[in-house]
Amino acid sequence: DVKVTQSSRYLVKRTGEKVFLECVQDMDHENMFWYRQDPGLGLRLIYFSYDVKMKEKGDIPEGYSVSREKKERFSLILESASTNQTSMYLCASNHRSSVYNEQFFGPGTRLTVL
Amino acid sequence: TQLLEQSPQFLSIQEGENLTVYCNSSSVFSSLQWYRQEPGEGPVLLVTVVTGGEVKKLKRLTFQFGDARKDSSLHITAAQPGDTGLYLCAGPDNNAGNMLTFGGGTRLMVKP
Repeated sequence: DVKVTQSSRYLVKRTGEKVFLECVQDMDHENMFWYRQDPGLGLRLIYFSYDVKMKEKGDIPEGYSVSREKKERFSLILESASTNQTSMYLCASNHRSSVYNEQFFGPGTRLTVL
Repeated sequence: TQLLEQSPQFLSIQEGENLTVYCNSSSVFSSLQWYRQEPGEGPVLLVTVVTGGEVKKLKRLTFQFGDARKDSSLHITAAQPGDTGLYLCAGPDNNAGNMLTFGGGTRLMVKP
């Protein structure tokens, strides 16, 4: 069974803290994605990685960075967390050769920044 | 920019009722996907429709892709509380090969 896992389901951090969100997939997918999901705003792409050490900015990259040191792992970093980064964070992955770009999602991390 | 608009945004119905939700765009999509997201979980792919006019069935769920490939609908027959969740449509971004454009979703609640 294909699987995308995220390191935490719930996380509470303080303003200014550095926050790491980890995502691991076991499907040997080349592409990995980080989204945030907010009520009324849908899923918004933060960053996308198409290979190890490769990344592209999505629609809302400000305040975030990413790291892809191994094919199976994609990390989202909040350098200095702010309250407006309180959100549901979703990781997804798919094969580069995917015909329809169907994505497999992790269970999400609900982050609260106080 | 390709946009996908979903309607209604919210739907609350009684168990046993039928319902249809819509996903519309002014752009042509090569295919469209439907995902269901249960509370506190990530989206799970239900189906991909590829051909204009295509109809796919998944038990009590019927998915249709518009003839012009600009819209899609999801019809649920005899809804059950287990159908509760957020239904998202998504399509490949024509300008960015591996990306998806997502609709805003329809949040469905089925009451027992």
